[in-house]
Amino acid sequence: DARVTQTPRHKVTEMGQEVTMRCQPILGHNTVFWYRQTMMQGLELLAYFRNRAPLDDSGMPKDRFSAEMPDATLATLKIQPSEPRDSAVYFCASGLKRDSQYTEAFFGQGTRLTVV
Amino acid sequence: SQQGEEDPQALSIQEGENATMNCSYKTSINNLQWYRQNSGRGLVHLILIRSNEREKHSGRLRVTLDTSKKSSSLLITASRAADTASYFCATVPYYNQGGKLIFGQGTELSVKP
Repeated sequence: DARVTQTPRHKVTEMGQEVTMRCQPILGHNTVFWYRQTMMQGLELLAYFRNRAPLDDSGMPKDRFSAEMPDATLATLKIQPSEPRDSAVYFCASGLKRDSQYTEAFFGQGTRLTVV
Repeated sequence: SQQGEEDPQALSIQEGENATMNCSYKTSINNLQWYRQNSGRGLVHLILIRSNEREKHSGRLRVTLDTSKKSSSLLITASRAADTASYFCATVPYYNQGGKLIFGQGTELSVKP
């Protein structure tokens, strides 16, 4: 049963600390998305990758957020330093682009981040 | 920035009734997708409809797409208490060849037994 795996599921950290969230996309998928969900802003697209290359990270605060794909089985989202306003649920999703067609995205269970 | 807007924001119905949710978007699309999210969980894909399609069915779900009005609707027939969830539309803009997937704010559906 292929699924997107995110770790950790929950993270509580103090303001100023570095936070790293990890995502294992579905094997064979060539597209990875990072989203942030809050009550106020809804689902915001932070960044996405195709074949491990970043296509768009305009949704991320550049000074403190960074996203990478060290290899095809791992995507990471880092926040350094973290702030209370970063508290949210962060979702990773993966999908497939074939020619000019895009498939649906498969979501992980999310990382619930609380910065105190 | 968000491409899609769902309407209504919240919907409460009785079990057995039909639920209709609408989505409007701003720019031309490659495809439009509907997702469901149960409280505290990740999103689950329901249906994908391409820009050259007008209607799609999957079980009790029916999705329509009107590209001239830049709108879509999701109909859930014979609703059940288990359908209680938030429903989101998401679009892949045509102008963006990268396949950016942008979500609306969602409709919160409550189905009362």
